[in-house]
Amino acid sequence: QKEVEQDPGPLSVPEGAIVSLNCTYSNSAFQYFMWYRQYSRKGPELLMYTYSSGNKEDGRFTAQVDKSSKYISLFIRDSQPSDSATYLCAMPSGGSYIPTFGRGTSLIVHP
Amino acid sequence: GAVVSQHPSWVICKSGTSVKIECRSLDFQATTMFWYRQFPKQSLMLMATSNEGSKATYEQGVEKDKFLINHASLTLSTLTVTSAHPEDSSFYICSAREKWRPRELFFGEGSRLTVL
Repeated sequence: QKEVEQDPGPLSVPEGAIVSLNCTYSNSAFQYFMWYRQYSRKGPELLMYTYSSGNKEDGRFTAQVDKSSKYISLFIRDSQPSDSATYLCAMPSGGSYIPTFGRGTSLIVHP
Repeated sequence: GAVVSQHPSWVICKSGTSVKIECRSLDFQATTMFWYRQFPKQSLMLMATSNEGSKATYEQGVEKDKFLINHASLTLSTLTVTSAHPEDSSFYICSAREKWRPRELFFGEGSRLTVL
C-alpha cells in the first residue's frame, strides 16, 4: 500500500460546481498536509497548508483534515475553467520534512 | 516572494550528449533544493536532495554518475544529465525551501528534456 493514495481522475465538472478532491494516507506520523496545484507543463504551486484536523478556508478553497480516518480533502467552490489543473496532496514527515506526494487528481472544469 | 526559476524550460539533445538544468531561488536563500522527475500522468518522483555546500543525497535507484547535482550557492543548484539517452526524456522539476519554512517547497517551472 502506498503511503499516500489519490485518485488520478480525470474529474470533469461544469463551471460553478463544488469540487471535492481527496487523499488517504497510511502513515499516522504525518502531521502537516499540503495541497499543490499543477498546470500542464508547469511546476506545482502551493495552494494550502494545514496542520490540525478540521477545516481551513482560503477564498474559494477549503482544506479539510480528518486524522482519525487518515483522510484529507480539498473543496473548491464556484469552480472556474481556470481551476482546471492537477491537484496533488503532499505530506512532509520526519526530521527532514521531505514531502510524500500523491499522484495527483486531474480536474477539468468545462464552461 | 518565494520564486524559483528553472532554465531551460525545454531542451532537445542528441543521444550521448550532456544537458545542464539550472534552478535558482530568486528572492530567498535556499538551504535545501530537491530535484524531481515526473512522467506523464504520474506523481513527482524525488531524485535527490541537495544542501548548499554538501554532496547531494540520491534516492534509491537514481544513478548519481548519470544525474550530477551541484548546489554551490544558496541560490543555485544544477542538474546535469550526462550521456543522455532517450529513456532519460522526461519532465524535471526542481524545488527549494528556506531554513525558516522547512515544510514548504517552492517549485520551478520545470524543464522538459527530449533526447533523440
